[in-house]
Amino acid sequence: GENVEQHPSTLSVQEGDSAVIKCTYSDSASNYFPWYKQELGKGPQLIIDIRSNVGEKKDQRIAVTLNKTAKHFSLHITETQPEDSAVYFCAARKANFGNEKLTFGTGTRLTIIP
Amino acid sequence: NAGVTQTPKFQVLKTGQSMTLQCAQDMNHNSMYWYRQDPGMGLRLIYYSASEGTTDKGEVPNGYNVSRLNKREFSLRLESAAPSQTSVYFCASSEYVGRDTQYFGPGTRLTVL
Repeated sequence: GENVEQHPSTLSVQEGDSAVIKCTYSDSASNYFPWYKQELGKGPQLIIDIRSNVGEKKDQRIAVTLNKTAKHFSLHITETQPEDSAVYFCAARKANFGNEKLTFGTGTRLTIIP
Repeated sequence: NAGVTQTPKFQVLKTGQSMTLQCAQDMNHNSMYWYRQDPGMGLRLIYYSASEGTTDKGEVPNGYNVSRLNKREFSLRLESAAPSQTSVYFCASSEYVGRDTQYFGPGTRLTVL
């Protein structure tokens, strides 16, 4: 089955600087890659996703890049703010032919230092 | 529109006790999921229900049972709790399995002594 590795497990960044979280996946048939943000005491919430037919997607201060050849994708957060402090999870899923499910990475705890 | 709700928020059990975690969604979604979250292991799928009346095993189903009570509700039962089941449990729903966004509930923190 699919295996998703996520690095780093913890990341501390000065407020205003950029943060990058990286994930690799094992199954070349995967074509959907979402990122979830989990704030303390809450459930994960989708913040951005990308499909394999594009290489980059942006939404204000966050962006995701995908390298299908290398089988890795990354989350970029620019101009970080205290409210960006959370645990971030990447995930991967194969083509939507039926009952394909998400495989999650192990999470990155991001701390923004004021 | 509450989204996905879970009860209880916290629970402490003794080894061997049983309990049921409840989940409900009001988004008219067809598919629902139960995950467990453990430190350093991310989210692992326990069971899922692709549609009302169906349930299937996920990655870590041992020790659990589920019931899709109706389209809105999906419960997770621990028949004989073990310390290894100490975890945070999340319920999620999506329009269909394999269809994009999953919406998560706030979680249940379970401790088994």
